[in-house]
Amino acid sequence: NAGVTQTPKFQVLKTGQSMTLQCAQDMNHEYMSWYRQDPGMGLRLIHYSVGAGITDQGEVPNGYNVSRSTTEDFPLRLLSAAPSQTSVYFCASSPYRRGNTDTQYFGPGTRLTVL
Amino acid sequence: KQEVTQIPAALSVPEGENLVLNCSFTDSAIYNLQWFRQDPGKGLTSLLLIQSSQREQTSGRLNASLDKSSGRSTLYIAASQPGDSATYLCAVESDSWGKLQFGSGTQVVVTP
Repeated sequence: NAGVTQTPKFQVLKTGQSMTLQCAQDMNHEYMSWYRQDPGMGLRLIHYSVGAGITDQGEVPNGYNVSRSTTEDFPLRLLSAAPSQTSVYFCASSPYRRGNTDTQYFGPGTRLTVL
Repeated sequence: KQEVTQIPAALSVPEGENLVLNCSFTDSAIYNLQWFRQDPGKGLTSLLLIQSSQREQTSGRLNASLDKSSGRSTLYIAASQPGDSATYLCAVESDSWGKLQFGSGTQVVVTP
């Protein structure tokens, strides 16, 4: 099992550009999520999904879109990049039982800089 | 709104000493609490998960306790080693949708 994979590892964008951060898992997990990590702060939830075709917003969703067409993939789209979106982005997955989530498995992260 | 706090933000200990890391949360209505390890430039690795009905979990040199009534969890690492140097994050799950609320972490350095 490759676990949770993320691409790219590093990305530099100019303000206003759009891009998609890729996340894939091969563990057949229903639950997937995106977090951002900023210096001195804990991880904050952007969006999450409890299964294919089902997504919802987390704590900091503005400026980001997601979709979940397959169990394996959960891409995060930045519509119009802003310097405030400079951060490290982590994707996570886990088996899902409502009200009793198992350990979450995190990808290696994508370090994004917006100039 | 749930708030998770980890104090201190950084900690340095000599090799062999026991590590004690603290995590506090404001809302005791949680489903579980997890401890993660993060190495520089890397993702998070789950260390221990404590369900709300449990008081502690153990794995090797690691032991985590949970006191929901006081809103506290403690991670003990026995006989620390330089390889234990990392940032340790705690996270609580407060709703039924798997969403985690993280503390800002404690950066640990174990000196030889």
